[in-house]
Amino acid sequence: DGGITQSPKYLFRKEGQNVTLSCEQNLNHDAMYWYRQDPGQGLRLIYYSQIVNDFQKGDIAEGYSVSREKKESFPLTVTSAQKNPTAFYLCASSMGQVRGYTFGSGTRLTVV
Amino acid sequence: AQSVSQHNHHVILSEAASLELGCNYSYGGTVNLFWYVQYPGQHLQLLLKYFSGDPLVKGIKGFEAEFIKSKFSFNLRKPSVQWSDTAEYFCAVNFMNNNAGNMLTFGGGTRLMVKP
Repeated sequence: DGGITQSPKYLFRKEGQNVTLSCEQNLNHDAMYWYRQDPGQGLRLIYYSQIVNDFQKGDIAEGYSVSREKKESFPLTVTSAQKNPTAFYLCASSMGQVRGYTFGSGTRLTVV
Repeated sequence: AQSVSQHNHHVILSEAASLELGCNYSYGGTVNLFWYVQYPGQHLQLLLKYFSGDPLVKGIKGFEAEFIKSKFSFNLRKPSVQWSDTAEYFCAVNFMNNNAGNMLTFGGGTRLMVKP
């Protein structure tokens, strides 16, 4: 079945460490997105990529980095510069003009 | 700045009650509109969407939403809720201008609890 796989489901990180969240899709979708979900704030866009080897900052890109070397993969790195990284991270993809996203199951990151 | 507002953060209803969740956005141009639902422990799922045509759209599980352009609103409704509708609901908008690309802007979400 086609879909989006995010791993790991839960991730613990020590302060000062970088960590990379995986997002893989086999839907042949062109565009991929990273959102951060915090209680009461909905989903806020971190980065998005509309095509391989190209990506754009979203509303809250500071402290994060991404790459899009393959169509299927859009990993997100949470760097030590991100001041409040504890959150639920959602990856999504879409095909061409927005017809709705397909979401992954998310990664819950906790900084300890 | 373009934004999406969901004014009801928490809603508690009894089974069989009617539901209306508000969604407003700030943009005078063309928009694509969506409602997503997140059941406990599950993925976000698309409930319904509006691109053009009949402003009253029907989605899955008996949900519907009405686009009122003059009010910049896209409220979600269901005539009779069930316990299984307990979830968090998100309104999302694609602002169709040069800067928006294909991404969606989400509202803050509404947590619905239906009491059996």
